[in-house]
Amino acid sequence: GDSVTQMEGPVTLSEEAFLTINCTYTATGYPSLFWYVQYPGEGLQLLLKATKADDKGSNKGFEATYRKETTSFHLEKGSVQVSDSAVYFCALSDNNAGKSTFGDGTTLTVKP
Amino acid sequence: NAGVMQNPRHLVRRRGQEARLRCSPMKGHSHVYWYRQLPEEGLKFMVYLQKENIIDESGMPKERFSAEFPKEGPSILRIQQVVRGDSAAYFCASSPLANTGELFFGEGSRLTVL
Repeated sequence: GDSVTQMEGPVTLSEEAFLTINCTYTATGYPSLFWYVQYPGEGLQLLLKATKADDKGSNKGFEATYRKETTSFHLEKGSVQVSDSAVYFCALSDNNAGKSTFGDGTTLTVKP
Repeated sequence: NAGVMQNPRHLVRRRGQEARLRCSPMKGHSHVYWYRQLPEEGLKFMVYLQKENIIDESGMPKERFSAEFPKEGPSILRIQQVVRGDSAAYFCASSPLANTGELFFGEGSRLTVL
């Protein structure tokens, strides 16, 4: 079945540092890929998405590129802020199945 | 423009009691998904429903758990005879279309079983 593997956390960075959170996936079809963010005590919010190979999703300074050859969708940001501290989830949606499959989440803490 | 509304936000039950969690999807959304987040773990799919239909319940435990999404009213996730292992955050998500993968989440219902 479908699966998503995320880089284990927690990740602690200083403000303005470069962020990479790795995500790889296994799927039988041609899934859409997503990053969601969860702030403390809240539900998940969609951060960015890509629907086909080589697409780049971007939002709020975050970006991720759909790499079919390496089955990856790594999240990057050039300069993190304290307000980026949250849990980040990589997810895929098999467009024929309806449901989405999530990774285990990576906790990011950004220190001033 | 209300988002996905879940209630209660927090629920405490003793072992053997029943828990009912409610979810009202965003306006115009007819697809509802329930996910469970155990402490220190990721989100695990439980069930996918459309109005009056269960589309995929492959993630639901075989016993004690049930879900519905009636023609009128919210979706309900029901857990009978709760056990301590049911303690988790239960998230509901909705989408306007099937199979787009883009989900809109509620803030979750946190169940604690004493």
